[in-house]
Parts: sequence; structure tokens; C-alpha cells
Amino acid sequence: AQKVTQAQTEISVVEKEDVTLDCVYETRDTTYYLFWYKQPPSGELVFLIRRNSFDEQNEISGRYSWNFQKSTSSFNFTITASQVVDSAVYFCALSGGVMNRDDKIIFGKGTRLHILP
Amino acid sequence: GAGVSQSPSNKVTEKGKDVELRCDPISGHTALYWYRQSLGQGLEFLIYFQGNSAPDKSGLPSDRFSAERTGGSVSTLTIQRTQQEDSAVYLCASSPRYEQFFGPGTRLTVL
Repeated sequence: AQKVTQAQTEISVVEKEDVTLDCVYETRDTTYYLFWYKQPPSGELVFLIRRNSFDEQNEISGRYSWNFQKSTSSFNFTITASQVVDSAVYFCALSGGVMNRDDKIIFGKGTRLHILP
Repeated sequence: GAGVSQSPSNKVTEKGKDVELRCDPISGHTALYWYRQSLGQGLEFLIYFQGNSAPDKSGLPSDRFSAERTGGSVSTLTIQRTQQEDSAVYLCASSPRYEQFFGPGTRLTVL
């Protein structure tokens, strides 16, 4: 069975601090995809990143970075120098296992991030 | 517009009535997904389509829920004999491959 766990329900940090959102996943698939989505107060889900299980290289995009560690089944997301606009609910998600074919995506319960001015 | 659209944006209905929720995916996207998000909760997978067929219906909560997709495009999620616990935001997403683009959702309130 596939499962995504985001243990942090809610986090509050002061603006300009760095913050890391944790994501731990479970899957029996050898090939899978991991995602992060942002849901701002407006409600619409915004895709942030997709990572496949063969690519453990960490990725940085501006103030965002992702740390994929297969050995610990984790795919953590760090926001550097946080800003108030980063306030949102962030979802980690997992999709199994067949290459070149879409599959259902299992979402974690989300982490609500508050950036305080 | 170029994004996924859903209608209606809000639906208030009485317990026991049937409702239909519509999703217009991005043109050319082969995969279409339905999710449900209850207040303050994560996303619950309901069903997804590849073209017009639904390889995975495992998330549908009961036989009151059904969905169809025609012409590889528009999809309709139908809830029969609605119950108060069906109240949620129903989200649709489409995908060309792997990356899902979400619509704004339909907020369903069952009184």
C-alpha cells in the first residue's frame, strides 16, 4: 500500500527564517514519483515539483529546495528566507510505479505553514 | 481559458438530492482525476480516467458516487442521494503526463 505522512500539521515561523517541511512515504513500487503542491488561501493547488525515484539529486529553485533520500523514504522541502506569501498548505504526494503512464496520486494530509511578519 | 475549469463553483443542495459536478480538463490532457477535500483535510483520491476509461475507481466512497468521461474530455461526477458527509470541495485535475493541473474546485454543501 502507498502512504504519505506529513507529521507536521502546522508550522509558524517568522519571516526570513528558513523552514523545512517533512515528508515520509511508503511504497512497494520500485519506480515512483514524488510531488509537492502548494495550496494558498485562494484554494487552488499549485504544482511545485515532481521527482522520480531514480533521481536522487537534490533540486533548488530559487528559495525552494528539495532533499530526496531514498534510504529514509523522505522527500523534504525547505523554504529559505521565508516570506509572508509562502503562507499556505503544502502537500507532499506519491504516485506509483508504471513508467510513461499516469497513475493516481496519493496525497499527505498537508502541512499548514504560517509565515509571520 | 487555458486551465482546468469546474462547474458549478458552489453547490448547495438538500440531503437526498442528486448532484452533478462537471470538469473541463485542459485540451489534450489524457488523464483526468477527481479528488475530494473536506474542511481542513488533505486530498482524498476518488477516481481517475485514462481517456474515457477509469482504471482505478477504488477511491469512490460508496455506490452513490459515479463518474464518467466522454470524448476524452469533459467529465461528470455524480453523487446520488447526497448525505451531509458528502459536503466537501471536489477537485478535478488533468494531466498530460505525471504533472497534474488542478481546477478551482466545486464546493458542495449538503444541508
